[in-house]
Amino acid sequence: KAGVTQTPRYLIKTRGQQVTLSCSPISGHRSVSWYQQTPGQGLQFLFEYFSETQRNKGNFPGRFSGRQFSNSRSEMNVSTLELGDSALYLCASNLQGHEAFFGQGTRLTVV
Amino acid sequence: QKEVEQDPGPLSVPEGAIVSLNCTYSNSAFQYFMWYRQYSRKGPELLMYTYSSGNKEDGRFTAQVDKSSKYISLFIRDSQPSDSATYLCAMTKGSYIPTFGRGTSLIVHP
Repeated sequence: KAGVTQTPRYLIKTRGQQVTLSCSPISGHRSVSWYQQTPGQGLQFLFEYFSETQRNKGNFPGRFSGRQFSNSRSEMNVSTLELGDSALYLCASNLQGHEAFFGQGTRLTVV
Repeated sequence: QKEVEQDPGPLSVPEGAIVSLNCTYSNSAFQYFMWYRQYSRKGPELLMYTYSSGNKEDGRFTAQVDKSSKYISLFIRDSQPSDSATYLCAMTKGSYIPTFGRGTSLIVHP
């Protein structure tokens, strides 16, 4: 069974640009969550989508947005990038329980 | 004060040692507890999960939950260099969105 797939693995962007990250969940999983991981703050929850609807949202500015498609694949977008957005962005899928299964992450560097 | 506290370490132990990793939490609404292992440059991997107080064993790993003290532990027996990683505790309340600890960096040296 394939795991959670995130693309791309690495990205370098310039301040002010925007970026889109992609996540394909485990087959059959309808919930997809996004997290930002930094050395200073640890793992912070961004948002969760279930059946194409945002079900939960963390405390991040509106520059961070996401969406989910009918096949459960999800994208996350960050607009007007700031240096502080440099982080590992992790996607996790969930069947219907408390256990989240993570992808490898996308390492975003903003210069 | 963060809802979930976890010492970042690093914790350095010799191969074969018993490792104890711990988290404390402040909100008694947390009911479901998980441990993740994260290797460098990789995503977290679910190791163990438990709902009730007490111990749960899986091979060399034992998860322990003490809800009365709001304290959870992960024990690793016969630690190996391949266990070197960051270990994150996580817990959930009513929703399925886990709150994570900051992670403890473990180094097992040969």
